Amino acid sequence: DGGITQSPKYLFRKEGQNVTLSCEQNLNHDAMYWYRQDPGQGLRLIYYSQIVNDFQKGDIAEGYSVSREKKESFPLTVTSAQKNPTAFYLCATSVGARSEAFFGQGTRLTVV
Amino acid sequence: QQPVQSPQAVILREGEDAVINCSSSKALYSVHWYRQKHGEAPVFLMILLKGGEQKGHDKISASFNEKKQQSSLYLTASQLSYSGTYFCGVNGGSQGNLIFGKGTKLSVKP
Repeated sequence: DGGITQSPKYLFRKEGQNVTLSCEQNLNHDAMYWYRQDPGQGLRLIYYSQIVNDFQKGDIAEGYSVSREKKESFPLTVTSAQKNPTAFYLCATSVGARSEAFFGQGTRLTVV
Repeated sequence: QQPVQSPQAVILREGEDAVINCSSSKALYSVHWYRQKHGEAPVFLMILLKGGEQKGHDKISASFNEKKQQSSLYLTASQLSYSGTYFCGVNGGSQGNLIFGKGTKLSVKP
């Protein structure tokens, strides 16, 4: 099936640990995005990538890191520097700015 | 900067109409509209492009005022299935990022 796969769906981690969220796509889309969603805050952009081996910071990049070594994959690492990492994380892809974005099903991260 | 959506929330009876607005402080290349049900991924509704092109569902309509950097989503003859949170996303350029507003929560009652 074509689509975007985020894994895992639920993730629990202890405070101070780094954790990596997976986002894989087989849509052959160039652009990939990571968003964080908190109640009442909408979707806030963490990082985005328009092409392999290149990515840009979004509005709330502090405490996060990404890589884009392959077109299909855009993993997000939540580091211990992120002060409040508990949130719902969404990955999205698109062909480009003139096309819609497609979202994965999200990963709900809880840090205890 | 996040685009500003209004209203923040709206409650409708089935069959009523609603308008959701989205305003940006920057020049826009495209405006996107999505609907999200609780706990699910956002679903694409409509994209409006600079120059007038639109793509989206037949039952959804929207407008894009490029000069005012504003867009509006029109929901007519609402159904229970229209309930959810509506987000507008804006893109400032062909290589730009996609920034979303805080959302408008729509509740449709029987």
